[in-house]
Amino acid sequence: QKEVEQDPGPLSVPEGAIVSLNCTYSNSAFQYFMWYRQYSRKGPELLMYTYSSGNKEDGRFTAQVDKSSKYISLFIRDSQPSDSATYLCADNLNTNAGKSTFGDGTTLTVKP
Amino acid sequence: DTEVTQTPKHLVMGMTNKKSLKCEQHMGHRAMYWYKQKAKKPPELMFVYSYEKLSINESVPSRFSPECPNSSLLNLHLHALQPEDSALYLCASSQVPPRAAGELFFGEGSRLTVL
Repeated sequence: QKEVEQDPGPLSVPEGAIVSLNCTYSNSAFQYFMWYRQYSRKGPELLMYTYSSGNKEDGRFTAQVDKSSKYISLFIRDSQPSDSATYLCADNLNTNAGKSTFGDGTTLTVKP
Repeated sequence: DTEVTQTPKHLVMGMTNKKSLKCEQHMGHRAMYWYKQKAKKPPELMFVYSYEKLSINESVPSRFSPECPNSSLLNLHLHALQPEDSALYLCASSQVPPRAAGELFFGEGSRLTVL
């Protein structure tokens, strides 16, 4: 079983839609949960991270972690064509590890 | 624009060639990483350097040889590669310890094709 499983996609939505991207993880020791965005032919960039359970909001983006069900989500409100990218969830045991475990990524296309 | 610069952006090499990938960052980060990413797959960690010392080697074949000559530079020397080594090679850096949950700053990658 992979430590981080991500909804495979691809996902195609119209502009303005609410997007939900989801991952599950199996290692209860994970403490930090990140979302990276990767545009085509570019390196990933950190979008948001959360520590332990709860929500974190940044503009149109909300990251949510439910440690009881080992479920993490990224919500994008009022999606824009510029949000079209591959979204990778990643989990970390601790800040010293330097070893993030990535999900396989979900490719999102937002159509104008 | 990314603050981690990788060269070359594209590289084509034969199986008998020797080449190097280069990475540079000027953010004062003391941890640098090499990742390999195949199409439609997540990045896979290869090596981690912390304070210019190799701290993690994820059982990478010896045909890949990393080098960290100083705190700003990271090289990946390539020799006798196989076609299955064709991939996007990503360099990343972070603070030590990483500032936020292992926050990695990635370069744009070097796309390697082995013929």
